[in-house]
Amino acid sequence: GAGVSQSPRYKVAKRGQDVALRCDPISGHVSLFWYQQALGQGPEFLTYFQNEAQLDKSGLPSDRFFAERPEGSVSTLKIQRTQQEDSAVYLCASQSTEGVIRNQPQHFGDGTRLSIL
Amino acid sequence: SQELEQSPQSLIVQEGKNLTINCTSSKTLYGLYWYKQKYGEGLIFLMMLQKGGEEKSHEKITAKLDEKKQQSSLHITASQPSHAGIYLCGADWAGTASKLTFGTGTRLQVTL
Repeated sequence: GAGVSQSPRYKVAKRGQDVALRCDPISGHVSLFWYQQALGQGPEFLTYFQNEAQLDKSGLPSDRFFAERPEGSVSTLKIQRTQQEDSAVYLCASQSTEGVIRNQPQHFGDGTRLSIL
Repeated sequence: SQELEQSPQSLIVQEGKNLTINCTSSKTLYGLYWYKQKYGEGLIFLMMLQKGGEEKSHEKITAKLDEKKQQSSLHITASQPSHAGIYLCGADWAGTASKLTFGTGTRLQVTL
């Protein structure tokens, strides 16, 4: 597709369950980012990949959060033993190869809305 | 982030009126990004400003970066209903164009 694709769009889970959120970046984009957006707030950075390397995971709130991008394309954000405070919209963004060199913007998907009951 | 403040938090304007949204950083800005978000959707890129007091325009939207004040403004001329949404500014404080810190957003409503 032309844009960043995220699935599922909506996910409801019971507290304590594990969830996996998927992101398909724009084809050929080297950099991939995950953000968490709480209701009424701006997105907050979680983690960043360049190809398959996770270069920054400083925003992951706890060791229950884990992200991977094994082949440098599709990425999965996994949350283990979910808690109610994990309820949020999880946004994925990708950036072209020249993103850093020429300050190209990050392009965002529509997000996954996660609700923990 | 309180280190990146947007004002106003919300705005209601009549169609055809001009408006300005501000974004103020407590740290040095290496890049400032403006995005628009509609409810339930992702962020749509509007404009990017780099260090150096830049100004850019696209259609009826103009963004400026005041390096001295570490502040950016987004100005919409002759607002239309299609301009309604949440406007978010994102700061690049490291100069890497990677980790962005976003403000809490300005919710814009345009009335007929």
